[in-house]
Amino acid sequence: DGGITQSPKYLFRKEGQNVTLSCEQNLNHDAMYWYRQDPGQGLRLIYYSQIVNDFQKGDIAEGYSVSREKKESFPLTVTSAQKNPTAFYLCASTNRGGTGELFFGEGSRLTVL
Amino acid sequence: ILNVEQSPQSLHVQEGDSTNFTCSFPSSNFYALHWYRWETAKSPEALFVMTLNGDEKKKGRISATLNTKEGYSYLYIKGSQPEDSATYLCAFKWGDKLIFGTGTRLQVFP
Repeated sequence: DGGITQSPKYLFRKEGQNVTLSCEQNLNHDAMYWYRQDPGQGLRLIYYSQIVNDFQKGDIAEGYSVSREKKESFPLTVTSAQKNPTAFYLCASTNRGGTGELFFGEGSRLTVL
Repeated sequence: ILNVEQSPQSLHVQEGDSTNFTCSFPSSNFYALHWYRWETAKSPEALFVMTLNGDEKKKGRISATLNTKEGYSYLYIKGSQPEDSATYLCAFKWGDKLIFGTGTRLQVFP
């Protein structure tokens, strides 16, 4: 079945450690996105990529990094510079030029101890 | 900073009640307005993508309207059922980005 797979679902890390969240899609979508959700807030855009080997900062990119070496994959690294990394992270993808509706993964919950 | 606002924040209704929520967005440079449903422990799923002023879309008991000149969209659910319980998100398309509101959390009691 086509879809977006995020892993891990739950992740615990100590303060000061970098962590990488995986996002893989087999929908042949060009564009991929990373959002963060905190209680009482909407989804906030961290990074997005319209094509392979290119990506742009979203509204809250500080303390995060991404890569887009393959069309199917858009991993997100939460670095030690991110001041408040505990959150729920959602990855999404869409076809450029279509309706633009996003297809989402099931999310990764990161807890920093 | 673009603001997309949704109201109410949460809503509790009885099964069979009809309900509606509001999404407000910037009325200039409009391109598209999305509605998503996000059930607990699942991924958000698109309900509607609306692009034209006056657009009305329907999917079963759920419908949505769009007014781009005044910057609002309504989502209606007719005869709410417990399976409609979810968070409903709207998102405003701004260039390559989708800016999300904080959502309306709907609980339908049997």
